[in-house]
Amino acid sequence: AQKVTQAQTEISVVEKEDVTLDCVYETRDTTYYLFWYKQPPSGELVFLIRRNSFDEQNEISGRYSWNFQKSTSSFNFTITASQVVDSAVYFCALSEAEEVHNQGGKLIFGQGTELSVKP
Amino acid sequence: DTEVTQTPKHLVMGMTNKKSLKCEQHMGHRAMYWYKQKAKKPPELMFVYSYEKLSINESVPSRFSPECPNSSLLNLHLHALQPEDSALYLCASSQDMEGWGGFVEKLFFGSGTQLSVL
Repeated sequence: AQKVTQAQTEISVVEKEDVTLDCVYETRDTTYYLFWYKQPPSGELVFLIRRNSFDEQNEISGRYSWNFQKSTSSFNFTITASQVVDSAVYFCALSEAEEVHNQGGKLIFGQGTELSVKP
Repeated sequence: DTEVTQTPKHLVMGMTNKKSLKCEQHMGHRAMYWYKQKAKKPPELMFVYSYEKLSINESVPSRFSPECPNSSLLNLHLHALQPEDSALYLCASSQDMEGWGGFVEKLFFGSGTQLSVL
């Protein structure tokens, strides 16, 4: 069965600190996709990154970086030099290719990590 | 600005009312989704429309009735709701990824409709 676990419910840091949000997933599929979404207080979920299971390259985008390790089924997200505007709930999500192929897509979300960055 | 527009942003309704939530996108996406999100919880998938046909219904009660009149519009008709249905209802869309025959969800979400059922 597919499952996404974000063990950290809430994290509080002071501005300029680095912070890592953990994500561990379970899937039987060999082809799958992993995502991170940000949900600020306004409510809209904002897409941050998508990774497919064949691409284990880590990615950096500005202050954001992602570490994908198939060996530990983890897809962790690091924010460097955090800012107050980073305060939001962050969701890790999984989609299995078989589901996508058969049904038009289904995204399984983790429980989310609420990040609070204080000035 | 979000490219998925949802109206209304807020809705209060009684248990005997009939109301509709609307969602619109003009990105040419052929998959559209309804998610329900309770406070402090992740979004839960309700329905998926693929090329204007219902492809996924996650065992949603019949008091929620989706409709996809065309590829740009998605409605959610509400009737005889319960107070526990109060939540944020999110619409999303995604683009078919050529060659897969399915939708790889880089989902574009709207800002949602905050629904309160009294």
